[in-house]
Amino acid sequence: GAVVSQHPSWVICKSGTSVKIECRSLDFQATTMFWYRQFPKQSLMLMATSNEGSKATYEQGVEKDKFLINHASLTLSTLTVTSAHPEDSSFYICSARKEAQRNEQFFGPGTRLTVL
Amino acid sequence: RKEVEQDPGPFNVPEGATVAFNCTYSNSASQSFFWYRQDCRKEPKLLMSVYSSGNEDGRFTAQLNRASQYISLLIRDSKLSDSATYLCVVFGGTGGFKTIFGAGTRLFVKA
Repeated sequence: GAVVSQHPSWVICKSGTSVKIECRSLDFQATTMFWYRQFPKQSLMLMATSNEGSKATYEQGVEKDKFLINHASLTLSTLTVTSAHPEDSSFYICSARKEAQRNEQFFGPGTRLTVL
Repeated sequence: RKEVEQDPGPFNVPEGATVAFNCTYSNSASQSFFWYRQDCRKEPKLLMSVYSSGNEDGRFTAQLNRASQYISLLIRDSKLSDSATYLCVVFGGTGGFKTIFGAGTRLFVKA
């Protein structure tokens, strides 16, 4: 397997503030990381694909100016939720693809965001 | 049509039962196939990759039929701890290096 960490595991913030979530691949290099969002009892929704050294690719309907993604190194990608609102409250999960292992994706433990 | 389709369930089975999940995908050029397991309020975890020749890992058997674009997962001798949502995952294809998740099949194993 492979280990992906995510920080923080949970965060509560006031409406209008920005929240930064970090995703790290601990024992392998990941040129590609993914950011997902999951609402209760719903399936994972891909928000964006993060590529090291280049701009992220956002899925349709996901605002790139609201969800800022930075993939500055082969082991770290960050997602910043800017000017968070209560409707942004969700479970945010990152994953990293291990190309040498049949492109299997390994997930971080997720970040539960609650915006008051 | 969804790119990856699964029966959402739920499947309610007694301990010791055998249960099978099916999944179909629409992109014939898809390259890799996986089953993930997701427990409530947790991240998905890789259960097993799926190969054309079929593969087995303990009580779990996965099959891939490329001609029918169909993937299956068989769980034998179900345990209470098998209760979870099982996600069918397909990677790659004509759309590029993209991973598509099915919506998941919910399994409840009861004593």
